[in-house]
Amino acid sequence: QTVVTQEPSFSVSPGGTVTLTCALRSGSVSTSYYPSWYQQTPGQPPRTLIYNTNTRSYGVPDRFSGSILGSRAALTITGAQADDEGDYYCVLYMTSDISAVFGGGTHLTVL
Amino acid sequence: EVQLVESGGVLVKPGESLRISCAASGFSFSYSWMNWVRRAPGKGLEWIGRIKSKIDGGTTAYGASVQGRFSISRDDSRKTMFLQMNSLQIEDTAVYYCTTEPLIDAAYFFGSWGQGTLVTVSS
Repeated sequence: QTVVTQEPSFSVSPGGTVTLTCALRSGSVSTSYYPSWYQQTPGQPPRTLIYNTNTRSYGVPDRFSGSILGSRAALTITGAQADDEGDYYCVLYMTSDISAVFGGGTHLTVL
Repeated sequence: EVQLVESGGVLVKPGESLRISCAASGFSFSYSWMNWVRRAPGKGLEWIGRIKSKIDGGTTAYGASVQGRFSISRDDSRKTMFLQMNSLQIEDTAVYYCTTEPLIDAAYFFGSWGQGTLVTVSS
């Protein structure tokens, strides 16, 4: 079974920059996995931030950006704000059967 | 505007069955791939499964933890997707979200999300 790993938690200062990553337990992440990123804050449904590695979803500010860094997918938040605090999830697609696998999520604290 | 409204979440006992629904509006539902995703208390998001549009075959795919117990269907005339959950276990307690899969730029991802419906499995 495919396992996708993320940092369990991260902390960033207001105005700071943070990069969250998404890795495969076995193998490297590439654009062929169509990495996407989602934010969930308490009491809210998930919000789509990034799809297809680096395309921002409609209405997402440009301080959110996606990339491939080495063997991982990455989400970088530049100029972090208090309301960026929440849980961030990556999803990779296994194109053999077009199944989606969520990473375990990263809880981001802004303080 | 895309709207997805889940309904049908209730308290059920272990071993029972339940069907929840997702009513869609604001987009071409019949041409859309649709998914279910859940979040259990204290856990992360988990992909449950997908149903393709009928024009793409209408086939389904499921995550490993629900394969064989859950099934997804759709009624395009009612713009509604369903999740039939059988042999429910305590671990199935979660908020269940429906999502679109827009296939923009030929990429797979979840687009719009509903507000979710809570399914509680407890004796």
